[in-house]
Amino acid sequence: DQQVKQNSPSLSVQEGRISILNCDYTNSMFDYFLWYKKYPAEGPTFLISISSIKDKNEDGRFTVFLNKSAKHLSLHIVPSQPGDSAVYFCAAGTRGSARQLTFGSGTQLTVLP
Amino acid sequence: DTGVSQNPRHKITKRGQNVTFRCDPISEHNRLYWYRQTLGQGPEFLTYFQNEAQLEKSRLLSDRFSAERPKGSFSTLEIQRTEQGDSAMYLCASGGQGKVQETQYFGPGTRLLVL
Repeated sequence: DQQVKQNSPSLSVQEGRISILNCDYTNSMFDYFLWYKKYPAEGPTFLISISSIKDKNEDGRFTVFLNKSAKHLSLHIVPSQPGDSAVYFCAAGTRGSARQLTFGSGTQLTVLP
Repeated sequence: DTGVSQNPRHKITKRGQNVTFRCDPISEHNRLYWYRQTLGQGPEFLTYFQNEAQLEKSRLLSDRFSAERPKGSFSTLEIQRTEQGDSAMYLCASGGQGKVQETQYFGPGTRLLVL
């Protein structure tokens, strides 16, 4: 049973435009969400996170939105740059325990120059 | 560089051999995690240490797998009698205390190929 789902395996966006990556979850116990970026042959790099007490968190070009009632989160990248081309994973966990994260299967973002 | 490091980066072995991987976490982090990632999937949790205590193990961690963190610093993951299905990227992550204690920071991974 996939508790975290990224239904779009790939996304292509023109440089300078907005990239929107989506993620759905089913476990209502999740209360902390993260986005990671991964280049080939490297480990995931932390991008941005959000707690369930918030509905938005912003860090530079990256904004994460959380819709708890829909169990949905999204990552917006504005403006998109060619260097953003990578696989993006969303992950969810439970605060307090700070234990395992559950990851989605990833979305390959390609930013076209 | 004070990030998470893992060694070796690549390992090719024959089926039935034992392999051991090492992870050095960020020095002030007391939490250490092992994950496994296969092609087209996200990382899957294997096990978790707080200091030297192994507090959680996934059902993915069969009895051929063992992990240690003897002094609460570096950790090792050993796979005995490797099988072709063990071929994957093995990722280590560490996390600390404080405001962003939930965030886990990953190393570059060890890619294992079992022939």
